[in-house]
Amino acid sequence: QKEVEQDPGPLSVPEGAIVSLNCTYSNSAFQYFMWYRQYSRKGPELLMYTYSSGNKEDGRFTAQVDKSSKYISLFIRDSQPSDSATYLCAMRAGGTSYGKLTFGQGTILTVHP
Amino acid sequence: DGGITQSPKYLFRKEGQNVTLSCEQNLNHDAMYWYRQDPGQGLRLIYYSQIVNDFQKGDIAEGYSVSREKKESFPLTVTSAQKNPTAFYLCASSGTTNEQFFGPGTRLTVL
Repeated sequence: QKEVEQDPGPLSVPEGAIVSLNCTYSNSAFQYFMWYRQYSRKGPELLMYTYSSGNKEDGRFTAQVDKSSKYISLFIRDSQPSDSATYLCAMRAGGTSYGKLTFGQGTILTVHP
Repeated sequence: DGGITQSPKYLFRKEGQNVTLSCEQNLNHDAMYWYRQDPGQGLRLIYYSQIVNDFQKGDIAEGYSVSREKKESFPLTVTSAQKNPTAFYLCASSGTTNEQFFGPGTRLTVL
């Protein structure tokens, strides 16, 4: 079983829809949670970064972390065609400032005009 | 502009050749990382370095080597011992905020 599971999709939605992307994990040591957006043939871009449980909002994006359920989500409101990309969840344990990230497989999202 | 650069963007390797991928950052970050990305899979860690002249193996280090002689640079060598090197290679760095930032990637193809 993988430490981080992410539904690969693909996910296709109309412009303006609310998108929900999710990851589950098994390692209870994970404390830092990230969402990256990756356009085709480009490097991942950090979208959201959260520590421990709770919500964080940034414009149209909201990240949720539920450590009791080992479940994290990214919500995109009023989705736009420019949001079409692969979304990767990533997480790491605490303890030091440096260390490896464990990634989900990525979810391919397409937003249709 | 501050950021991470990787070169070349595309690289072709013949069987039995070693190739070196370049990664440079001007963010003054102490830590640097190399990941490999294959279709339908997330990123997997090859090597990482927390400080100059020190580095650690990641999950899939076999067939790869690195050096960290300067804070700004973390080159990755893909050796002939790597049996399936065709992939997208991503370099990242992080500073005191723990956030990892990625370069644009190098796509390596074995001919």
